[in-house]
Amino acid sequence: GAGVSQSPSNKVTEKGKDVELRCDPISGHTALYWYRQRLGQGLEFLIYFQGNSAPDKSGLPSDRFSAERTGESVSTLTIQRTQQEDSAVYLCASSLGLRTYNEQFFGPGTRLTVL
Amino acid sequence: QQQVKQSPQSLIVQKGGISIINCAYENTAFDYFPWYQQFPGKGPALLIAIRPDVSEKKEGRFTISFNKSAKQFSLHIMDSQPGDSATYFCAASKGGGNKLTFGTGTQLKVEL
Repeated sequence: GAGVSQSPSNKVTEKGKDVELRCDPISGHTALYWYRQRLGQGLEFLIYFQGNSAPDKSGLPSDRFSAERTGESVSTLTIQRTQQEDSAVYLCASSLGLRTYNEQFFGPGTRLTVL
Repeated sequence: QQQVKQSPQSLIVQKGGISIINCAYENTAFDYFPWYQQFPGKGPALLIAIRPDVSEKKEGRFTISFNKSAKQFSLHIMDSQPGDSATYFCAASKGGGNKLTFGTGTQLKVEL
């Protein structure tokens, strides 16, 4: 079956512009995660959605970052007034979320470049 | 604050050799330790994972060794192959594995 998909695959924007990144999780996965991967760094947790529960936003680096998820489907990560330090690969993952220690399946990521 | 420290940053191994990557963690509440493999242009994929109730887990050529008292765990790749060339990340989480804390990654190259 289809895995996690993300769009766009690449995004180049100018400093100060807003960007929206999209994630389509695996069908039936109730949990969805966003991570950021800076060049040469590990993945950094941003936000986590589980079903209809309030999202865990503890990893969002500033109020310029926000994310939404409609039900158990598509999620959008929005970065307002982008800064050069926002340049990174943004990865989305999904999991069944019905029990503990679920495997997270990652998408290919969106490479964001802020000029 | 880096809660999971990974070493080495890069590693070159000859085909057929053993690749060893080490991680150390600080948070004693962590109770799930997965390893992810990432190829260029792809998202990470789960390779193998361990819970702290066992000291070792083996799946094919991949083995995790876990030392709870030292708060360390390592990945061993036996009979390393060129196809194993990738970036490997250790990770840790607590209370169900929902929020992973990743190490900084190890770029492995297996030479012929």
